[in-house]
Amino acid sequence: DAGVIQSPRHEVTEMGQEVTLRCKPISGHNSLFWYRQTMMRGLELLIYFNNNVPIDDSGMPEDRFSAKMPNASFSTLKIQPSEPRDSAVYFCASNPSTDTQYFGPGTRLTVL
Amino acid sequence: GDSVTQMEGPVTLSEEAFLTINCTYTATGYPSLFWYVQYPGEGLQLLLKATKADDKGSNKGFEATYRKETTSFHLEKGSVQVSDSAVYFCALNAGNNRKLIWGLGTSLAVNP
Repeated sequence: DAGVIQSPRHEVTEMGQEVTLRCKPISGHNSLFWYRQTMMRGLELLIYFNNNVPIDDSGMPEDRFSAKMPNASFSTLKIQPSEPRDSAVYFCASNPSTDTQYFGPGTRLTVL
Repeated sequence: GDSVTQMEGPVTLSEEAFLTINCTYTATGYPSLFWYVQYPGEGLQLLLKATKADDKGSNKGFEATYRKETTSFHLEKGSVQVSDSAVYFCALNAGNNRKLIWGLGTSLAVNP
């Protein structure tokens, strides 16, 4: 079975540009999570969805960040405009009707 | 609120040494407890879990026992290998939602 798929794997952009990260969860999983990982702050939950509905977005750092889940097989995390402090590895994870999360390989974002 | 505290790293061991990574938690109710592992350049993956007091989770030679009386879930392995070098995260789920509460991670380096 394919695991969680994230694209792109690496993204380098300049400050002020829009960045869109993509995630395809495991088929049949009905919850999806977006995380950010940095050396300074560790692993942070940004937002999670249940049945495509955002449940908790309290971790979204500011209005520059937005996330959507238009259907059960796709989600995006958008940063507009991007800033150097957004540089991090962004993970998507999904889970079925249990509490075990399955992580994607991550997108390494560098904002110059 | 709910929280997870794990020992700070990095932990450096020689091959075949005994490993303990401490994890304690604070939670209302009866949480499920997890250890995830992150190998270099990869996403997190579930290593083991325990869902009730006195349960022992085990996988790949790693073990952890859910101790309610000491609110702990320490990770142990009798003989580590170089391939165990990774970051280990302790986490809990205490509520009806799917959200996990994460520790900060403990980096393990095993030298040959």
